[in-house]
Amino acid sequence: NAGVTQTPKFQVLKTGQSMTLQCAQDMNHEYMSWYRQDPGMGLRLIHYSVGAGITDQGEVPNGYNVSRSTTEDFPLRLLSAAPSQTSVYFCASRSAGGPQAFGPGTRLTVL
Amino acid sequence: AQSVTQLGSHVSVSEGALVLLRCNYSSSVPPYLFWYVQYPNQGLQLLLKYTSAATLVKGINGFEAEFKKSETSFHLTKPSAHMSDAAEYFCAVSNNAGGTSYGKLTFGQGTILTVHP
Repeated sequence: NAGVTQTPKFQVLKTGQSMTLQCAQDMNHEYMSWYRQDPGMGLRLIHYSVGAGITDQGEVPNGYNVSRSTTEDFPLRLLSAAPSQTSVYFCASRSAGGPQAFGPGTRLTVL
Repeated sequence: AQSVTQLGSHVSVSEGALVLLRCNYSSSVPPYLFWYVQYPNQGLQLLLKYTSAATLVKGINGFEAEFKKSETSFHLTKPSAHMSDAAEYFCAVSNNAGGTSYGKLTFGQGTILTVHP
């Protein structure tokens, strides 16, 4: 199993640009989540999904959209990038009763 | 609602000394508790988890944590620090009550562990 994969690893955007961060898992996990990590703030939940077709907002959802059309994929869309969205983004997945497995992260810089 | 507080953003120990990283949680339902470790420029790796079985939980790399309901604590310890333990450590809580909130992790702010020779 590849586990949780994320692309790209690094990205630089200009303010106002849009982009999609990709996340995929091959473990048939029901639950998938997106977190952002900022210094001194730990990881904060952006959006999560409890199954294909079901998504909900986390702690910091503004400026981000998600969809879950398949069990495997959970892309995160930045609609109009802002410097405040400069962060490291982690995707995670888990099965019912199992711990979260995290991807390697995407380091995003918005200029 | 659930929350996690990690006491001390930086902890420094000598090699061979006891490691103690503090975590207190708040949860309105019986919690699941986790410790994750993050090495520089890497993702998060699960160290150990508490899921209402034994209150003393043993994890990887010689770490263990004890769930104390009366103190709402889940402190992480290791008897003898090694240079390779230098990393950032995150405590996290998740509710196990089911429903659509099941599996949402709330993280503490993180504690950076430095190990001196």
